[in-house]
Amino acid sequence: GNSVTQMEGPVTLSEEAFLTINCTYTATGYPSLFWYVQYPGEGLQLLLKATKADDKGSNKGFEATYRKETTSFHLEKGSVQVSDSAVYFCALRAGGTSYGKLTFGQGTILTVHP
Amino acid sequence: GAVVSQHPSRVICKSGTSVKIECRSLDFQATTMFWYRQFPKQSLMLMATSNEGSKATYEQGVEKDKFLINHASLTLSTLTVTSAHPEDSSFYICSASPAVAGYNEQFFGPGTRLTVL
Repeated sequence: GNSVTQMEGPVTLSEEAFLTINCTYTATGYPSLFWYVQYPGEGLQLLLKATKADDKGSNKGFEATYRKETTSFHLEKGSVQVSDSAVYFCALRAGGTSYGKLTFGQGTILTVHP
Repeated sequence: GAVVSQHPSRVICKSGTSVKIECRSLDFQATTMFWYRQFPKQSLMLMATSNEGSKATYEQGVEKDKFLINHASLTLSTLTVTSAHPEDSSFYICSASPAVAGYNEQFFGPGTRLTVL
């Protein structure tokens, strides 16, 4: 079956530090890959996505590249801010399925200190 | 655009009672809505997929008689937790996909915190 594995948290960084949250996946076919962010007390928001190999998703300074050869979709940001403190979820949607189900990783809690 | 609301945001009930949670797409029509359950510090677990006008499809291990899902219109799906027990306490999240051909992104509601005493 499909699965997503994220690096375990929590991750604690100082403001302006470099962020990497690792995500690897197992899936049949050619899945689409996503990063969602959940701020305290709020629902999930789509942060970025990539739908095919070598695509790079980017938003708000965050980036992730779809690496088929390593089945990875690591999230990076060059300089984090306190406002980036949230829970980050990596997810996949199996290829070839419209309105398909999302499979989520376990989530990584990020805390950024001033 | 693409706002999904849930009501209530929090609910506390006594063991044995039933609780209904509403999920609404406010500015778009949703052919498909999804219901998830999130345990503390854990990931989202898909409970069921609900298509407007048809029966929901439940994931393995989810009791359909306990978690009743109704998707009666293109903007509303409801989840009813019947005869709730403390182990049903959790954070329930819905998502909705717009009824646009080929557009399959999911938009998430803010979640409902259920506490069963």
